Amino acid sequence: GAGVSQSPSNKVTEKGKDVELRCDPISGHTALYWYRQSLGQGLEFLIYFQGNSAPDKSGLPSDRFSAERTGGSVSTLTIQRTQQEDSAVYLCASSRTAGQYNEQFFGPGTRLTVL
Amino acid sequence: GQQLNQSPQSMFIQEGEDVSMNCTSSSIFNTWLWYKQDPGEGPVLLIALYKAGELTSNGRLTAQFGITRKDSFLNISASIPSDVGIYFCAGLYGNKLVFGAGTILRVKS
Repeated sequence: GAGVSQSPSNKVTEKGKDVELRCDPISGHTALYWYRQSLGQGLEFLIYFQGNSAPDKSGLPSDRFSAERTGGSVSTLTIQRTQQEDSAVYLCASSRTAGQYNEQFFGPGTRLTVL
Repeated sequence: GQQLNQSPQSMFIQEGEDVSMNCTSSSIFNTWLWYKQDPGEGPVLLIALYKAGELTSNGRLTAQFGITRKDSFLNISASIPSDVGIYFCAGLYGNKLVFGAGTILRVKS
């Protein structure tokens, strides 16, 4: 399909392990966003990428979280030494440019459970 | 940081009834957005508001951008069962969206 895709859809891991979450944005979209949605909460901004500019990492909750975007397309969010409080749905969104927020399309999310 | 207070937290209404929910903030936002999220899916944009005082409709949905730029409401008229889901308001601050905690809508048919 032509939408934002994320993998895996579900991930169960043990406390202390590292996890990688993948996002494939819509082709041609230069802006990519990661959000975290905890149970019963709104979406919490984590990081965004715009073209070749340095990413805005201001929402990352700790240095255990990092993200990359290779070739201006696919992005990977990595959580090192996972903790139980990292359990949440991680959502990725993309838009044609960072300014076109009204065209920010979300993927289905990855549900992360840390045991 | 910026926070949005969204209310009510949840609603359980009869099919055919009108629904109203709102968001307020102590901060000024230049854009307000309303999203709907179905189970297992990402949020989908319903309405975008760009100007203080703006009133915009999308089918049975109507949303307004408060004149103080610190609040917005969303109305759904004549609710139907497929309106169930979580509705989020979001305010644009710089290039980032700040989201409310959501309103869970349940409709009795």
